[in-house]
Order: sequence, then structure tokens, then C-alpha cells
Amino acid sequence: SQQGEEDPQALSIQEGENATMNCSYKTSINNLQWYRQNSGRGLVHLILIRSNEREKHSGRLRVTLDTSKKSSSLLITASRAADTASYFCGGSNYKLTFGKGTLLTVNP
Amino acid sequence: EAGVVQSPRYKIIEKKQPVAFWCNPISGHNTLYWYRQNLGQGPELLIRYENEEAVDDSQLPKDRFSAERLKGVDSTLKIQPAELGDSAVYLCASTPGLAGGENEQFFGPGTRLTVL
Repeated sequence: SQQGEEDPQALSIQEGENATMNCSYKTSINNLQWYRQNSGRGLVHLILIRSNEREKHSGRLRVTLDTSKKSSSLLITASRAADTASYFCGGSNYKLTFGKGTLLTVNP
Repeated sequence: EAGVVQSPRYKIIEKKQPVAFWCNPISGHNTLYWYRQNLGQGPELLIRYENEEAVDDSQLPKDRFSAERLKGVDSTLKIQPAELGDSAVYLCASTPGLAGGENEQFFGPGTRLTVL
């Protein structure tokens, strides 16, 4: 079974706009991680937020975590065409379990 | 610093044939993972090694899949015999330390397997 479930499944925006992706998970976690996957490539780690954190920033990325709702969101600000990729969240409780991902398309 | 290396990148075989995938993790990374990623899905863990010990192989279909990590460095994942449903991308990842899913994982580019 998959721990993380991303929403929406697909998102298409214009360059310069912000992109928000959501993730829900089922059981308690120690941390939640977001990864990016470009077509035909492996996953690249973006950011990790621990269960006792509520918000974290890294460059143009902002991640929030609401453990009471078992949900997280990833915000990418000022998107670029190079941000086009699939984004996965993974909940970790000594085992990282991924959702199906959100396919983000940023149109130039 | 070199990343996780996997080979081959692509493999096409006929069903019932054997196939093997190789992974070389980042130097010094104690924990190694094998994932399978079906089309349109997220990666699913097959097996996790801490050094040379398989500490979580609950998701590995043991009737046809096997894995080894001799000397706690390189790893090989084997399927014998392959079935049509095994077509997927097989990803290898590694992390420093022995904390399971508690740290960032570094992924290789994957091996895309097509079973005809």
C-alpha cells in the first residue's frame, strides 16, 4: 500500500506562476520527504520535513506539514520550464513509502 | 562525488528469461535500497540492505526475485524467470548511516526492463 497520495495527479501552469501540490498519508510518520523525477531519470531529493516541524523553506520551495490532518503541501514559487517533472511525496516511519506523484508541466 | 551507478540502463528480454541488474551506491553509504516503479506509479520498495544484511525484504517476490550485496558495497537484483508483469523501472538508492527511511535517499538513474 502507498503511504503518500499526491493531489492533483497533473498540473499545468505558465512560467512564473506558483505551483502547489498536496500530499496525504495514512499512518504516523517520522518525516515526510518530497522528490522530483524528470522523465526517464531517477528521483532527486528536494526537501525533508520532520514530524515536529510545521513549515520548511528551501530556495523557491516551501513545504508545510499538518500531522493532525496527515497532509503536506509543496509550493514552488516563480516556476520555470525546468521545473517540469513528476513530484512525489514519501512518508517515512523507518520505511519510505511513495505516492503516485503529481505531473507538473510548466509552459514557457 | 560520483552518484549511484546502475547498469544496464535498458534491458529487453523475452518472458521466462533471467535478468540481472547491478547497482554501485555512493561510496561510504551503508544502506542500499531496490525499488520497482511501474508506469504512472511511485517507487515501491523491494528490499533494503544495511551493509550486507537484508533488513527488509517483505515486499520482494521471493519465488522469482533474489538480491545480494556481497561485502556490503555493490548489489545485484535478479529475476528468474521474468514475467510480462515485471516490466518496470528498477531503481537503486542509497543513504549514509543505518537509519532506514530517516534520511535523504540518493537515487540512481534506474534500469528500464521490458519483458516481451
